[in-house]
Amino acid sequence: DIQMTQSPSSLSASVGDRVTITCQASQDISNSLNWYQQKPGKAPNLLIYEASNLETGVPSRFSGSGSGTDFTFTISSLQPEDIGTYYCQQYDNLPPITFGQGTRLEIK
Amino acid sequence: QVQLVQSGAEVKKPGASVKVSCKASGYTFTSHGISWVRQAPGQGLEWMGWISAYNGNTNYAQKFQGRVTMTTDTSTSTAYMELRSLRSDDTAVYYCARTFGVASFDYWGQGTLVTVSS
Repeated sequence: DIQMTQSPSSLSASVGDRVTITCQASQDISNSLNWYQQKPGKAPNLLIYEASNLETGVPSRFSGSGSGTDFTFTISSLQPEDIGTYYCQQYDNLPPITFGQGTRLEIK
Repeated sequence: QVQLVQSGAEVKKPGASVKVSCKASGYTFTSHGISWVRQAPGQGLEWMGWISAYNGNTNYAQKFQGRVTMTTDTSTSTAYMELRSLRSDDTAVYYCARTFGVASFDYWGQGTLVTVSS
């Protein structure tokens, strides 16, 4: 199975800060990577698909980049509503689909 | 608008089975697959498997092979996930998710809490 290693596991930042989360795959997954946001008690929400494509309706402050084994998710200017847990998800070489362990983001 | 509405919370004893439903609306049901993802309390996301709503083909995570069955009823636009031989570590919120492309989840159900306890 492909392992996804996310870092950091938790993050505290101030409103307006640039926030970066990384995800590393245990093998080459091309651009077969998505990013989700999950707020407490809610289902996850797709933000970025195919590593760098912004899902419809998602604010442009969110972005993704990378290919192969190393991926980055960025919030250009952190807003209070961005608190939650962020997950990367790979879908290369199925099954299984695997998720990173999550990054909990809070406001400082 | 696309909606996935799941059945309510369940409490089961170890060894029992549970069947969770996921009723879709707002799109052509057979045009997208449905995946099931679970989340144990305080833990991350775990993919269980996928079913094509077009032809019923399934793809299960090896961890659940033999214990899970995913089905659909196209007449009611409903997907089902049955998990058997429940154990305490199956206690989790179970989500259905509409799947596009290879395996991207663009719409999710609200989640169904399944508690396994004696």
